[in-house]
Amino acid sequence: QVQLVESGGGVVQPGKSLRLSCAASGFTFSSFGIHWVRQAPGKGLEWVAVIWNDGSKQYYADSVKGRFTISRDKSKNTVSLQMDSLRVEDTALYYCARDSGSGWYVINHWGQGTLVTVSS
Amino acid sequence: EIVLTQSPATLSVSPGERATLSCRASQSIRSNLAWYQQKPGQAPGLLIYGASTRATGIPARFSGSGSGTNFTLTISSLQSEDFAVYHCQQYDDWPRTFGQGTKLEIK
Repeated sequence: QVQLVESGGGVVQPGKSLRLSCAASGFTFSSFGIHWVRQAPGKGLEWVAVIWNDGSKQYYADSVKGRFTISRDKSKNTVSLQMDSLRVEDTALYYCARDSGSGWYVINHWGQGTLVTVSS
Repeated sequence: EIVLTQSPATLSVSPGERATLSCRASQSIRSNLAWYQQKPGQAPGLLIYGASTRATGIPARFSGSGSGTNFTLTISSLQSEDFAVYHCQQYDDWPRTFGQGTKLEIK
């Protein structure tokens, strides 16, 4: 079955960087886009970024554009989210989620999330 | 960006009764709307996509309707496992956006 396992979360100071990873299995990795979605404690969901199935396109939320970079490694079936210049407001549970198609469509599978805390 | 407004923020309903949740978009998103259910401590799960198509394994008591800017999620006869937070999301334009969520609680 589809599995998405996030890792790399932790506590980091404002202005520092962190790299999240998402290990995918149970499906043909090259056929599906992958999203990152985050949820601040006690808050709603916020879409963060997507990368197309073939890596050809990436889109970002305005709140992270220019600071976060999404990438994928087809040899390892992983997607990464490089987060630079972190802010306190980036504190959240970060979910890796699979698109139902190339990247444009609905999210139909979710990982369990990895927690990022930005604090001095 | 497209703003999704969900109402009410909290809905109190008795088991066995019907629940109606609303999601309104700031501009037309055609039928490119999904509904997710999220229980405490869990990741969201897809309920409805294309505004009205149930995802695999979703019971028939869940139904979605609407197009353009106004959407509704209806749960016809609430079961104990249905009390959760419900999120709507548009996938018509970038950036993708979610509503703020509706918490469905037991009355």
